[in-house]
Amino acid sequence: DAGVIQSPRHEVTEMGQEVTLRCKPISGHDYLFWYRQTMMRGLELLIYFNNNVPIDDSGMPEDRFSAKMPNASFSTLKIQPSEPRDSAVYFCASSFLRTTNTGELFFGEGSRLTVL
Amino acid sequence: ILNVEQSPQSLHVQEGDSTNFTCSFPSSNFYALHWYRWETAKSPEALFVMTLNGDEKKKGRISATLNTKEGYSYLYIKGSQPEDSATYLCASPGSGNTPLVFGKGTRLSVIA
Repeated sequence: DAGVIQSPRHEVTEMGQEVTLRCKPISGHDYLFWYRQTMMRGLELLIYFNNNVPIDDSGMPEDRFSAKMPNASFSTLKIQPSEPRDSAVYFCASSFLRTTNTGELFFGEGSRLTVL
Repeated sequence: ILNVEQSPQSLHVQEGDSTNFTCSFPSSNFYALHWYRWETAKSPEALFVMTLNGDEKKKGRISATLNTKEGYSYLYIKGSQPEDSATYLCASPGSGNTPLVFGKGTRLSVIA
């Protein structure tokens, strides 16, 4: 398996523009997570899905952020409109057998977003 | 809200030195402790997942210990090499059925 695949790897955009980040989890994994990495706050959970259903989106900063998982092999994180404070590295991760919390997370390489 | 703390925030060591850093977590309702290694521009990768008090795990020159009663884990690197330079993250779930909460990491730089 190729691992968790994210795109784009880098995105530079202007304030007010819409940004869409994409993720393909590892086949067979039933959990998908979106995390955001910043210097100030570290790696923080935005939202996670189980079997394509959003379970907890309490980490999504505000209504400008939305995430979908239309099928088991694809998820998107959308920011509309984007703001400079959204600049960060956004990671997607997947896992399975998480009920015992011993299942490790498999991360993508991240999408580095810069909003000017 | 679960609070996972890591120290130090950053660390610079000479090649060949051994080093260690700490992860602190609430000792009540403990489920598991994960360590991840994150090299810049790459994916964070799992190093260890530990669940039992007194657990010790080893992978090459890297090892970790777990004390669930006092709420800490140590990560040790023996004979640091430049390729060990990375950010080391620890994480723990808030409860038995919640996602991992990460610490802010320890950034290690090994100078040749």
